[in-house]
Formats: sequence, C-alpha cells, structure tokens
Amino acid sequence: EAGVTQFPSHSVIEKGQTVTLRCDPISGHDNLYWYRRVMGKEIKFLLHFVKESKQDESGMPNNRFLAERTGGTYSTLKVQPAELEDSGVYFCASSQAGPRQETQYFGPGTRLLVL
Amino acid sequence: GNSVTQMEGPVTLSEEAFLTINCTYTATGYPSLFWYVQYPGEGLQLLLKATKADDKGSNKGFEATYRKETTSFHLEKGSVQVSDSAVYFCALRGSTLGRLYFGRGTQLTVWP
Repeated sequence: EAGVTQFPSHSVIEKGQTVTLRCDPISGHDNLYWYRRVMGKEIKFLLHFVKESKQDESGMPNNRFLAERTGGTYSTLKVQPAELEDSGVYFCASSQAGPRQETQYFGPGTRLLVL
Repeated sequence: GNSVTQMEGPVTLSEEAFLTINCTYTATGYPSLFWYVQYPGEGLQLLLKATKADDKGSNKGFEATYRKETTSFHLEKGSVQVSDSAVYFCALRGSTLGRLYFGRGTQLTVWP
C-alpha cells in the first residue's frame, strides 16, 4: 500500500510568487491534515479536511494560504503571494475515519524556501 | 489549551548508551500521546503511542509511559545504535479534534 506522497519535494521561489503544494493521502483515508515546521520550531497544525470538507482551519496563518480537497482525494495548498516567513517544511498527513482517528501517517514533506 | 514541551537538543551519545528524551504536556480532557521520528531525508514516522494513563508504548527498543500525575511521556531506550540518529518529536492529540500538537523536536546523534 502506497504511503502519503507530496509534491514537489523542494521548491525555491521569490517573494511575491505563487506556489502550490500537493498531497496524495493513503487511499481510503477520509482525514487529511496539513502541518508546517518553520526552521527549528515545533510542527504546527494548519488545517484538517474530512473528505472534501474543512473540519478545522484554525491554524491557517492568513488569507494568503488556500487549501482545497476537491472530490475528497488529493489536496493542494496554495500560497499566494509568498512571503519570506512562509519558508519551512510543509507536511501532509492522513488517517482513517472513526471516532478516534488515532494514527496519522505523514508524507515526506515539501521544503519551501522563499527568497 | 494543549501544548507539548520537549527537551532541547541536540543530544549526542555513544553507541550502546542509555537514552532519555523528556516530554511534558498540558492538555484538557484525556489526550493520546505519541512519539514520531524523522530520519535524515525522510518524513515523520510514528514510533510509538499511548492512549490512556499508565499505558506504555514500545517499538524498536524504545519505550514511553503515559504518566498523568506528572503529565509526562518521556522516551527511553536502553542501548542506542548509530541507526537511531534522527529527530524525535513528542506529540499529543486532544480528546476532541484530530489535530496533533507537537514539541520542537530533539535531534539525536549517535556515534560509533
């Protein structure tokens, strides 16, 4: 069974540009999460999808970030326009449906550098 | 609210040394607790978990016990190997929402 995949693995862009990150969860996982780790700091939650619906987007830093999960399969996270402080590693995770959704499986992350 | 405080790194040990990485938490309700590991160039992998007080999670020689009275979930291994070199993250999941709350991570380097 394939794990969570993310694309691209690395992205280097200039301030003001747009970047779109993609996450493909494990097949059949209804829950999809986005997290971000800024250099040296803790991994912070961004948002949570259940199928195609946003269950919790309280971690989204501002309206320059837009996440979608059309059809309840893969998800995209767009940053427009990118700022220097958006640099970091963006992780996607997925988990099965159920009352506790205990184990989240993480992808390898996308390393974003904004210059 | 929910938060995790994790021992600052980096930690450098010789092979076969004993490892402890401290983790304490603040949470409302009855959280589940996790340790994730990130090996160089890879994503996060679940190392072990515990879902209620006094549970012990274990995997690959690592252990952690959910201590409600001290709000702790310290990671231990009796004899580390070079292959254990990685970043270790303590995390909690609250009793309601699915999101995880992470500590800052502890870089472990094991020398032969």
